[in-house]
Amino acid sequence: DVKVTQSSRYLVKRTGEKVFLECVQDMDHENMFWYRQDPGLGLRLIYFSYDVKMKEKGDIPEGYSVSREKKERFSLILESASTNQTSMYLCASSRTNSGNTIYFGEGSWLTVV
Amino acid sequence: QKEVEQDPGPLSVPEGAIVSLNCTYSNSAFQYFMWYRQYSRKGPELLMYTYSSGNKEDGRFTAQVDKSSKYISLFIRDSQPSDSATYLCAMSPIDNYGQNFVFGPGTRLSVLP
Repeated sequence: DVKVTQSSRYLVKRTGEKVFLECVQDMDHENMFWYRQDPGLGLRLIYFSYDVKMKEKGDIPEGYSVSREKKERFSLILESASTNQTSMYLCASSRTNSGNTIYFGEGSWLTVV
Repeated sequence: QKEVEQDPGPLSVPEGAIVSLNCTYSNSAFQYFMWYRQYSRKGPELLMYTYSSGNKEDGRFTAQVDKSSKYISLFIRDSQPSDSATYLCAMSPIDNYGQNFVFGPGTRLSVLP
């Protein structure tokens, strides 16, 4: 079974703090993604990466950056957390050109106070 | 028009009922179709995926794709309280370089004992 592991399930951070969300996948997938999910807004793509050190902006990249130093690991960074970044963050992975499946982690609930 | 439309619900049914969940889409390039189940405060879990038109069955679940009508469905037979969750449809084109997964907003289902 594909496993996507998000290291932090629940975090509470203060406004202005730098936040790191870590994600690891064990299926040698080329593509990794970070989404945020908010009630009424559905899943929104923040960034995705199709290879080590490669990244592409998604629909809502402002206020976020990412890092992919190893194929299995994809990190989301909030440089200066703000209250409007309180959300559920989902990491996902997929194989290039498989087209058919994307696998999600359990999610990280971030509250910024 | 949104790329993928899905009735947000909530949908409440009695235990044992047959449930029909539906999505419509506008992009004829979509070839892969997926259904995810998401329990409260958890990440989406892949339930079923299909390629192009037709039906696919897995236990109590049947996925149906009608590309001519741009309409996909998930049927749940003999629904159980454990099926209570939000169901997301997702789709992608055949040449999927990672960023082209599109998700519906989800339908919230409650199965009442």
